[in-house]
Amino acid sequence: DAMVIQNPRYQVTQFGKPVTLSCSQTLNHNVMYWYQQKSSQAPKLLFHYYDKDFNNEADTPDNFQSRRPNTSFCFLDIRSPGLGDAAMYLCATSRGTGEKAFGSGTQLSVL
Amino acid sequence: GENVEQHPSTLSVQEGDSAVIKCTYSDSASNYFPWYKQELGKRPQLIIDIRSNVGEKKDQRIAVTLNKTAKHFSLHITETQPEDSAVYFCAASIGGGADGLTFGKGTHLIIQP
Repeated sequence: DAMVIQNPRYQVTQFGKPVTLSCSQTLNHNVMYWYQQKSSQAPKLLFHYYDKDFNNEADTPDNFQSRRPNTSFCFLDIRSPGLGDAAMYLCATSRGTGEKAFGSGTQLSVL
Repeated sequence: GENVEQHPSTLSVQEGDSAVIKCTYSDSASNYFPWYKQELGKRPQLIIDIRSNVGEKKDQRIAVTLNKTAKHFSLHITETQPEDSAVYFCAASIGGGADGLTFGKGTHLIIQP
């Protein structure tokens, strides 16, 4: 009954090698979010889409980009991953009324 | 931007006792305050939320209180059970709708048998 699906569950990439994480949803929610959660820390908002409108957090590094080709899918692109980008990346969706539904996350390792 | 402070960082209570976790927020425009439970390696799960037009909300053993004047809100868990052991995050959202959440740093709740 997974409604926010993230693939892959675990991703290993090399230092500097571009990587893309994906998120899909069956909830038909109009808002999609990407959070970064480092070990033993709180999730930190990177950016979100309200429909097709992209909203970037002021302190999100330029190394992180996002695409939302349609309502159901959203992608997180990391152009040149560094060791400090190793984290759990959580996708979430919302109908715009507050409550967010989180995916299971993608654990990214950078070698 | 919004800043959310959460205390304590670790809380150990005896099974059956109550647990209280407290958060403060900085932006008076925030009007949506959820609490999430996260087990190791799993997604955050919403356990209860409150909006700024309500002072208290209860769901079985879990309750949340909100003091808008003081800009703080608290999570209360009564009759704690071993399965309540997890990390709990408070969060705040400006606009109460589409805006993303600002999380507190989390409280590791340990239920001692």
